[in-house]
Amino acid sequence: NAGVTQTPKFRILKIGQSMTLQCAQDMNHNYMYWYRQDPGMGLKLIYYSVGAGITDKGEVPNGYNVSRSTTEDFPLRLELAAPSQTSVYFCASRQLGHEQFFGPGTRLTVL
Amino acid sequence: GESVGLHLPTLSVQEGDNSIINCAYSNSASDYFIWYKQESGKGPQFIIDIRSNMDKRQGQRVTVLLNKTVKHLSLQIAATQPGDSAVYFCAENIRGNNRLAFGKGNQVVVIP
Repeated sequence: NAGVTQTPKFRILKIGQSMTLQCAQDMNHNYMYWYRQDPGMGLKLIYYSVGAGITDKGEVPNGYNVSRSTTEDFPLRLELAAPSQTSVYFCASRQLGHEQFFGPGTRLTVL
Repeated sequence: GESVGLHLPTLSVQEGDNSIINCAYSNSASDYFIWYKQESGKGPQFIIDIRSNMDKRQGQRVTVLLNKTVKHLSLQIAATQPGDSAVYFCAENIRGNNRLAFGKGNQVVVIP
């Protein structure tokens, strides 16, 4: 299994641009999550999904959107990038009651 | 709540010594706990977990202790090695909740 994969690894955006961060998992997990991690800080939950077609807001959803059309994929969309969205973004998945697997992260800079 | 802008608590440990990393949790309905290790530039990696019906669980060089009375979780690393330098996060699963709650993290620096 490849586990949780994320693309791209790095991206630089200009203010106001949009992009989609891709996340996929091949473990047939129902639960998927998006976090952001600022330098020297912990993980903040952006959005999560408990299954295909179901998404919910986390702690910091403003400026982001998600969709979950399949079990495998959980893309995160930034519509109007702002400097405050400069961060490292981690996608994760799990089955309820078990450990959570994280992807390698996407490092995003908004200038 | 979480403080913004503070550096992570740091534990400096001599190579070969044992490390103990502590984590307090607040919800008595938490039934499952996980320790993660995050090396610089990488995503968090699972180290060890423990369910609330246990007090102790051992892995390779790591032991997790759970004290439900005082809502405290600890991770012990035996014979700490330079490769153990990382940030360690605890996470709790609150029964009936769909997401894990993560602690702030502790930086471990191993001195050769």
